[in-house]
Amino acid sequence: NAGVTQTPKFQVLKTGQSMTLQCAQDMNHNSMYWYRQDPGMGLRLIYYSASEGTTDKGEVPNGYNVSRLNKREFSLRLESAAPSQTSVYFCASSYSGTNRPRNQPQHFGDGTRLSIL
Amino acid sequence: QKEVEQDPGPLSVPEGAIVSLNCTYSNSAFQYFMWYRQYSRKGPELLMYTYSSGNKEDGRFTAQVDKSSKYISLFIRDSQPSDSATYLCAMSVAGGYGQNFVFGPGTRLSVLP
Repeated sequence: NAGVTQTPKFQVLKTGQSMTLQCAQDMNHNSMYWYRQDPGMGLRLIYYSASEGTTDKGEVPNGYNVSRLNKREFSLRLESAAPSQTSVYFCASSYSGTNRPRNQPQHFGDGTRLSIL
Repeated sequence: QKEVEQDPGPLSVPEGAIVSLNCTYSNSAFQYFMWYRQYSRKGPELLMYTYSSGNKEDGRFTAQVDKSSKYISLFIRDSQPSDSATYLCAMSVAGGYGQNFVFGPGTRLSVLP
């Protein structure tokens, strides 16, 4: 039972390089999310996708882009990495359907640790 | 003032102790409350999910919500070394698909054998 799978687990980039973080879920969830976690700050939402075909900005979207490739996959791209983007990135998913109340809890992957030099 | 506040710890307790973890919040519109456990180098794992006020119990874990005081708690009975982790609270207003969840920064707990 994989749940939410993120790749890669670790990555070191130089300033200005680009990369894509991958996320896939096998729980048939509609909604998917990208967060960053920094010491003392809690999880902050970067982008989310309420359903396949839609994406929206969260609290801290600057410097990032996302693609909801299909119902299972949601990727996060850094076009030109900056040291301020050094963080741990988490992907999450949740169910959002008509037969359950909204605000269903999110299920998280194990994160990608990204360092930008 | 942050929307959700949580003592970062670390909180160290002996094995078998009752642990109390707390969060305070400022937005009276929050209605959904969650507790997550996060082991080192792992993602948050859902422990408890409650709606509105009251208590919810699951095994050794009890979640309490006091909306009048804007205060939520997680109690762990008979704590074990395997409970050593960071505990995050999260909460949201009604509506939306989870994009309005607000997470606390977490409390680091160590249970000493």
